[in-house]
Amino acid sequence: QKEVEQDPGPLSVPEGAIVSLNCTYSNSAFQYFMWYRQYSRKGPELLMYTYSSGNKEDGRFTAQVDKSSKYISLFIRDSQPSDSATYLCAMKAGANSKLTFGKGITLSVRP
Amino acid sequence: GAVVSQHPSRVICKSGTSVKIECRSLDFQATTMFWYRQFPKQSLMLMATSNEGSKATYEQGVEKDKFLINHASLTLSTLTVTSAHPEDSSFYICSASDGGTGNTIYFGEGSWLTVV
Repeated sequence: QKEVEQDPGPLSVPEGAIVSLNCTYSNSAFQYFMWYRQYSRKGPELLMYTYSSGNKEDGRFTAQVDKSSKYISLFIRDSQPSDSATYLCAMKAGANSKLTFGKGITLSVRP
Repeated sequence: GAVVSQHPSRVICKSGTSVKIECRSLDFQATTMFWYRQFPKQSLMLMATSNEGSKATYEQGVEKDKFLINHASLTLSTLTVTSAHPEDSSFYICSASDGGTGNTIYFGEGSWLTVV
């Protein structure tokens, strides 16, 4: 079993849809959880950063962490064509630990 | 958000030569930086972890003599690909850990290396 599992997709939705992206993990030591967006041929861009369990909202994006279930989610409301990208979940155990990534899911938002 | 700058964004070099890629944290100090390699349509592969003032820690299978990493200051880390070969052609990305924001990790824009 991989440490972090992420549905590889791809995922295609119409503009305006609510998108739900998820990752599960097996390492209970993970404390820090991140979502990155990566456009083609660019470096990943940090979208959300959460420490431990809970919800965090930033504009159209909401991140949820459920440590008891070892499950994290990213919701995108009112999705836009510009949201079309690869989304990576990432997590780490300690403050200076390396990140463990999911495989990434490619999202396409159709106009 | 915080900015991590990578330079050059694209470089073409001849086989057998060395290439240096710089990674700078522009508005925060980064005691820890990470170097990744990414192949098309694949996830990021961690190459090494670099701590300011100490030797880098390389992942298994990464040749430390080929991929030289230096982290001489809190805002700069460099990756030098020595004696480059066509198989080293790839997208190299750095990231930096911002201790001021709970060790949030920000990525650079990436550097495309083509060895001909």
